[in-house]
Parts: sequence; structure tokens; C-alpha cells
Amino acid sequence: GESVGLHLPTLSVQEGDNSIINCAYSNSASDYFIWYKQESGKGPQFIIDIRSNMDKRQGQRVTVLLNKTVKHLSLQIAATQPGDSAVYFCAENMRQGYSTLTFGKGTMLLVSP
Amino acid sequence: GAVVSQHPSWVICKSGTSVKIECRSLDFQATTMFWYRQFPKQSLMLMATSNEGSKATYEQGVEKDKFLINHASLTLSTLTVTSAHPEDSSFYICSARGTAIFYSNQPQHFGDGTRLSIL
Repeated sequence: GESVGLHLPTLSVQEGDNSIINCAYSNSASDYFIWYKQESGKGPQFIIDIRSNMDKRQGQRVTVLLNKTVKHLSLQIAATQPGDSAVYFCAENMRQGYSTLTFGKGTMLLVSP
Repeated sequence: GAVVSQHPSWVICKSGTSVKIECRSLDFQATTMFWYRQFPKQSLMLMATSNEGSKATYEQGVEKDKFLINHASLTLSTLTVTSAHPEDSSFYICSARGTAIFYSNQPQHFGDGTRLSIL
């Protein structure tokens, strides 16, 4: 299930389940979005990106969906594994060009065997 | 490819001292480097953007005299936390963006962060 902690929402799933992590972004003018995975004590790791002219993009075991109408982004992870346990952040490009990113609040994904 | 290295990975020091953190792009040249701060269970907050050879651009609320950024070469940027105090304790993360001729599917490449603890 999903719970909201003091600062970081947490999603707990069983190994093998599909996970869906959601993100509400703030700027309707944002034109580029990225999902990052951050393991404890490490920097963010790129997972998948999507441009605003797309609604869906698939990678290996991951799918990103973009709904510009409601400014919503989601990350779907198929057949979740214990190694997927981490904090996941969405990031949006809010300024002209693709260099400056603004990160969302993050969701902790806990995968139990 | 596109490895960004931060040093040190962890530092503990006394209140009032200054601490320098290095960010290096190991196998590519970076025209732009970014510095972020992350408190426990919170998101990454952009502190400043630095372009090689010019002054850094700081985000609103970030004291530029407190957080000195130098980007003297295409492979190295440094962040110096001056007269550090316990409230400066945080996880500092840098990222780098390659030059125009550097092909990457990512807009920024991140280092593994520096955990700063001020006693």
C-alpha cells in the first residue's frame, strides 16, 4: 500500500508485483521530464525520460506516462525486484533549454521478497 | 562513460571551519556543473549553476558568500562551504552537463554526493 510519511511518501510492494509511482509537476510550460532512482548514500541515477510531445515511453521493465492536462507523470515498474528498492524522483525542465531540472518530492519504494 | 566523481564522499568537521568539495567529470568535458543540497528524506534542491570560466548563478535564498563555487576548468568544479555550522550539515550532490559535441541521452550526469557533518 501507499502511505505518506513526514516528508517522503512510501510505496510498499511484494516482489513480482507491478509498481506505479506518481508525480504531480508544477509548471505547465515544462517540456521535458525525467525519472531518477536514488539509492541510499548515492546520487540520482537516470531511469527514463519523456518529452512533452509524447504521452508514453517504454524502457526495459519501466514505462513513463505523461498527462499534461492534469500535470501528472507516472512511472510503472513491471515485475518489481528487491533491487528496485530506492527513492524515486521525477524531475522537470522548467526553464528554456534542457539543462536546469527541478526535482519533485520523491517516493520511497520498498520491495519485500 | 559520463562518470562524475565527487570528493570527499564524507566529511566531518568542527563548526567554523571551511570545507571544500570537488566535482570532476572523468571522461568528458563539462561546460556546466550544478550543485544541489539534499536534507534527509527530502528532495534535491538546486543551489547554483556554474559555467566554466564565469561566475556561478545562485538560486534564490542561497548565500553566495557562504557557498563559494569555482569552475576553473571543463572537468572540475569546487564548492567551498565557508565557516560551516551544524545547519549546513547535508548531502551535497553535483552534476555535470557535457559540451555541445558530447553526445548523451541525459541532460545531467550526477556524482555520488558528499555527506557533510558539522559538529
